[in-house]
Amino acid sequence: EAGVTQFPSHSVIEKGQTVTLRCDPISGHDNLYWYRRVMGKEIKFLLHFVKESKQDESGMPNNRFLAERTGGTYSTLKVQPAELEDSGVYFCASSQAGTSALHFGNGTRLTVT
Amino acid sequence: AQSVTQPDIHITVSEGASLELRCNYSYGATPYLFWYVQSPGQGLQLLLKYFSGDTLVQGIKGFEAEFKRSQSSFNLRKPSVHWSDAAEYFCAVGAPPGAGNNRKLIWGLGTSLAVNP
Repeated sequence: EAGVTQFPSHSVIEKGQTVTLRCDPISGHDNLYWYRRVMGKEIKFLLHFVKESKQDESGMPNNRFLAERTGGTYSTLKVQPAELEDSGVYFCASSQAGTSALHFGNGTRLTVT
Repeated sequence: AQSVTQPDIHITVSEGASLELRCNYSYGATPYLFWYVQSPGQGLQLLLKYFSGDTLVQGIKGFEAEFKRSQSSFNLRKPSVHWSDAAEYFCAVGAPPGAGNNRKLIWGLGTSLAVNP
């Protein structure tokens, strides 16, 4: 089966610009997660979708971040406007309902200059 | 507070040597423990996980981990390291199975492993 796919793999934008990250989970996986790792810090949970619904968005840093999962398939994470501290690697993961482990994508490395 | 501590930021071992990566956790409930590995340019791959049963769990790539409740530890081991094991290793803790679909994992900082030929 195809794994979790994230696009783009890298993005370099200027402060104030907008960036949209995309995640295609494994087909049939209802659960979709976004995580972020800022340089030198631990990986942090951002939010969790179950199908198209946000189950938990307690990790979203602020209202500059907007995540969507229309139709319960792929998800996008938009940062608008981007700030320097948003730089990091954004990971997406998916899992089947009730299963134990997450399947991660390769991540999107975002650099805000 | 819930947290995961990986005391070693960077470790270097010689190929063929044994390896132990440390992980300590603080979690209010029964923990569900994971080790993930990230090789250069790759995503996070699950090595092994533990919730209950035998406290010594076997994973992929010849790795194993031992859960010690009294020490709140879940250390990762490998008897003989290969050059391809050079990567970053992450310990994580989350809610146990049956606690809903939430896999909101709490992560350690990671341990970067270098392997000398």
